[in-house]
Amino acid sequence: DTAVSQTPKYLVTQMGNDKSIKCEQNLGHDTMYWYKQDSKKFLKIMFSYNNKELIINETVPNRFSPKSPDKAHLNLHINSLELGDSAVYFCASSPWGQSAGGYTFGSGTRLTVV
Amino acid sequence: TQLLKQSPQFLSIQEGENLTVYCNSSSVFSSLQWYRQEPGEGPVLLVTVVTGGEVKKLKRLTFQFGDARKDSSLHITAAQPGDTGLYLCAGGSSGNTGKLIFGQGTTLQVKP
Repeated sequence: DTAVSQTPKYLVTQMGNDKSIKCEQNLGHDTMYWYKQDSKKFLKIMFSYNNKELIINETVPNRFSPKSPDKAHLNLHINSLELGDSAVYFCASSPWGQSAGGYTFGSGTRLTVV
Repeated sequence: TQLLKQSPQFLSIQEGENLTVYCNSSSVFSSLQWYRQEPGEGPVLLVTVVTGGEVKKLKRLTFQFGDARKDSSLHITAAQPGDTGLYLCAGGSSGNTGKLIFGQGTTLQVKP
């Protein structure tokens, strides 16, 4: 039973398209995150939600819109995709405010914009 | 802005050798975590250290948090090919947001 599951695993799309990535966790955690990992493997936070409320929004273009219908789900919608959006996007979860407890990551969505 | 610098960025060693990876910052972190990431997968938590000077051991891996809580190290004894992967340090930022700041990673290759 996967703790944090993301879909799809791979996404190849053309510039200008709109796409969504879905994430679900069954750990009962209150906080969920989206991180972007670039081609140099650097992980940078994009958003976090605590129990459906947006907590962190890190200077991400407003083409990216997260949505959390409930505390177990966090989706990411991207409008007007650009070449520079190509990266691996990771969803993660943790107990509320407890980064010390560590994150549980999903296995990532590799987005390629052509 | 809190930043974490990892060194070295790449390390290729023979099976049986020892190695140390460093994670340094000018900022104080509430906690420091180490993750290992394998190709096509998400990072997996190895350890969390929260007290300055804390040392934790996980089999052949030894983790240390600096006294001032600004740096950390990961030491692997007698490395094995199964240790190959990307090692990431991450610092817990201040406040109750749960936000982690990641280092840029160390890619380790252990050759048989």
